Amino acid sequence: KAGVTQTPRYLIKTRGQQVTLSCSPISGHRSVSWYQQTPGQGLQFLFEYFSETQRNKGNFPGRFSGRQFSNSRSEMNVSTLELGDSALYLCASSTALDYEQYFGPGTRLTVT
Amino acid sequence: DQQVKQNSPSLSVQEGRISILNCDYTNSMFDYFLWYKKYPAEGPTFLISISSIKDKNEDGRFTVFLNKSAKHLSLHIVPSQPGDSAVYFCAASLFSSGSARQLTFGSGTQLTVLP
Repeated sequence: KAGVTQTPRYLIKTRGQQVTLSCSPISGHRSVSWYQQTPGQGLQFLFEYFSETQRNKGNFPGRFSGRQFSNSRSEMNVSTLELGDSALYLCASSTALDYEQYFGPGTRLTVT
Repeated sequence: DQQVKQNSPSLSVQEGRISILNCDYTNSMFDYFLWYKKYPAEGPTFLISISSIKDKNEDGRFTVFLNKSAKHLSLHIVPSQPGDSAVYFCAASLFSSGSARQLTFGSGTQLTVLP
């Protein structure tokens, strides 16, 4: 069974631009969560989608948004990029019953 | 407000010896705990977990201990191998609104196993 895939793997953007990241979950997984990882901060929860509905949201500004499609694929959008948005963005999928989440390799976003 | 804390950013251990990674939490509503391992340029991979109704779970070289009264858990790796060198994240889970489960992660501990 294929794992979680994320595209692109690396991205360089300029301050003020916007960016869209994509995540394809493991087949059969309907829950997709997004996390931001920065040095020394661990993984900070952004939001979680299940069956195209956002069920949970972390403490991030409204510039961070997401959506999920009927095939469970998910996208994350960050508008008006700031230097502090430079981070590794991780997507994780799970079934409705799993405690464990399965992570993709991440998208490394650099804002200059 | 960090609900899950890993106070040691790094740990070095000799190959063959025991590695002990620690994690503290503050929210007594957490009911499930997990450990993830992360290599550079890869996403975290699930390692081992424990329910809050247990105090120990073992899987091969990996054992997780939970002390609910102290709100503390630890991961023991015996014997440690050079391939275990990675960042280890502790995570805690609870149900939130809308029947969603949310993972709260610690900041990670870099384990280096010296040959």
